[in-house]
Order: sequence, then structure tokens, then C-alpha cells
Amino acid sequence: AQSVTQPDIHITVSEGASLELRCNYSYGATPYLFWYVQSPGQGLQLLLKYFSGDTLVQGIKGFEAEFKRSQSSFNLRKPSVHWSDAAEYFCAGNYKLTFGKGTLLTVNP
Amino acid sequence: GAGVSQSPRYKVAKRGQDVALRCDPISGHVSLFWYQQALGQGPEFLTYFQNEAQLDKSGLPSDRFFAERPEGSVSTLKIQRTQQEDSAVYLCASSFRAGGIYGYTFGSGTRLTVV
Repeated sequence: AQSVTQPDIHITVSEGASLELRCNYSYGATPYLFWYVQSPGQGLQLLLKYFSGDTLVQGIKGFEAEFKRSQSSFNLRKPSVHWSDAAEYFCAGNYKLTFGKGTLLTVNP
Repeated sequence: GAGVSQSPRYKVAKRGQDVALRCDPISGHVSLFWYQQALGQGPEFLTYFQNEAQLDKSGLPSDRFFAERPEGSVSTLKIQRTQQEDSAVYLCASSFRAGGIYGYTFGSGTRLTVV
């Protein structure tokens, strides 16, 4: 079955530090992959998506993600985290958006 | 409209009551999806429409759940005889075309609490 796994339930980083959130997928063909962010009480906002082509994808708010077929991964990165980045992050795949369980990001001042 | 609109924002239902949740997608968006998000979990797929056709309802948890999109725009998710396990946030998303290549825009959701 197609699935998306986010191994980290909760990550804490200091403001200004770099960030990497992990996502692993299991699909047969080239997957459609997405990263969404959800702030408390808010809907989901698309950060970036990958369908094909360049494996390094740039998104909004300074985020990027790299598709690595050999590792079945699509990790989200940001070089310098801001306090406003604190939120829940979801990786999702395929046209129906199979979501991972999410990673809660806490940012320390 | 500018975004996906869902109403009501909050709904409290007594167990056994029927509820109807509304989704107004972005004008012109062909694809519409419903998701259920339990507390502390990721959203889970319920059903998918392309225009007025319900192409996939494999995620609906029981026959108490029913969704429609009769004119290919507004959609309604109906839950009959609500149970406590139905308590969740119900999210609607729309997309310009099928397949998601244009991305999906989500509404803010309806938080359903069954008491």
C-alpha cells in the first residue's frame, strides 16, 4: 500500500538554527509528494510539491525539499528557522494526499 | 471566492443527530476532496469528486457518511446518526485540475464535536 512516514513526532530547534524534517514514502512509481504546514486552528498551507524533474524543490517561506529515490525520502529543510515557523508539518503523497502523522516543530528563542 | 470556505466552523452534535458540513471550493476548481483529521493525527482521505462525479469514496468510514456535489461546485458531507468517534476536524480541499499537479487549497475546516 502507498504510505508516507514521518519518523519524528516532535522536533525542537533554536531560532536561527537549521532544520530538517524527515519524510519517507513507499510508492512503486515516481510519487507525487507534498509538504504542508498547519498552524494551530488553521487549515493546511502548501509549502512545496514534487512531481518530476529537478529533485531539489524550492517552496515558500524559505523552505526546500530534496527527492531522493534511492532513499525513498523527501526531507524538508530550512537553513535558518524563525520563531514563526513553529507549527505542525505534514508530508503527503499521491493524488489523494496520503498524509504522514505529522511532525510538531517547536522553536526556542 | 479567494479561498476554500467551510461552514460551520464549529459544530456540536448530540450523539445520534445528523449533521451536514458544507464546502465552497475555489471557483473553477474541478477537483474536491474531503478529509477527516482526528486530534493529533494527520488528515485522512474520505472522498474525491471531479466536477459532480464522486470518483473515489474508499475512505468513508461507514455508510453513515455521505457526500455530494450535485452541480460540480459546492459540496456537502453528511453524517447520519453521529457517534463520538466521529468527533474530528473535517477538511475540504480543492484543486484546479485532477491529479494535484496544481496543488490543493485547503479550507480551515469544520470542528465536529459529538457529545
